[in-house]
Amino acid sequence: QSVLTQPPSVSAAPGQKVTISCSGSSSNIGKNYVSWYQQLPGTAPKLLIYENNKRPSGIPDRFSGSKSGTSATLGITGLQTGDEADYYCGTWESSLSAGMVFGRGTKLTVV
Amino acid sequence: QVQLQESGPGLVKPSETLSLSCTVSGGSINNYYWSWIRQPPGRGLEWIGYIYYTGSTNYNPSLKSRVTMSVDTSKNHFSLKLNSVTAADTAVYYCARVYYETSGSDAFDVWGQGTMITVSS
Repeated sequence: QSVLTQPPSVSAAPGQKVTISCSGSSSNIGKNYVSWYQQLPGTAPKLLIYENNKRPSGIPDRFSGSKSGTSATLGITGLQTGDEADYYCGTWESSLSAGMVFGRGTKLTVV
Repeated sequence: QVQLQESGPGLVKPSETLSLSCTVSGGSINNYYWSWIRQPPGRGLEWIGYIYYTGSTNYNPSLKSRVTMSVDTSKNHFSLKLNSVTAADTAVYYCARVYYETSGSDAFDVWGQGTMITVSS
């Protein structure tokens, strides 16, 4: 059972925009930075966003991140069929059960 | 370009110890935190723990009693041991480099390709 809540699935048409939410609490998202990962089928996860809204080198600006209070959001504009993947949010949990935690993942379908 | 490569047995018997190694190439293991993350088939990601190049560790509380991580800077690799395994430990195991700038900024910026570990007799 994950401490971070993501929608199981989202879908949108090519060229459109989609957002994926990640809801946590005051002991995780409310206190720490959020990162986002893209996992294409059969591959390892890839870092898309770190420190809430920063993109690593090579990640296009179609991908964006934001955080407000105890929730975070990943935005993807100009959707492409190659964006079909699972997306995970992650953050540090600062409670007694301290450690890195992830959401259960959101399956993005581009239809 | 830093690359990570996991190596392991593929199949482990119940109650035995799972041992994995991650070799770092294209860069130094020094001055970074390194991590193990696993993903059961069809499920999400689970953080196993961190090790700093100096050897200090931080483990997932739910796995802490069964996990040991170590690092060998001379060989540029780090390792994971998970003892008393059960079928619930069947997963793809990834090693990853940790991006860490300040407290709570942790992210995983370089990943290995992953290695599938099956626990079965």
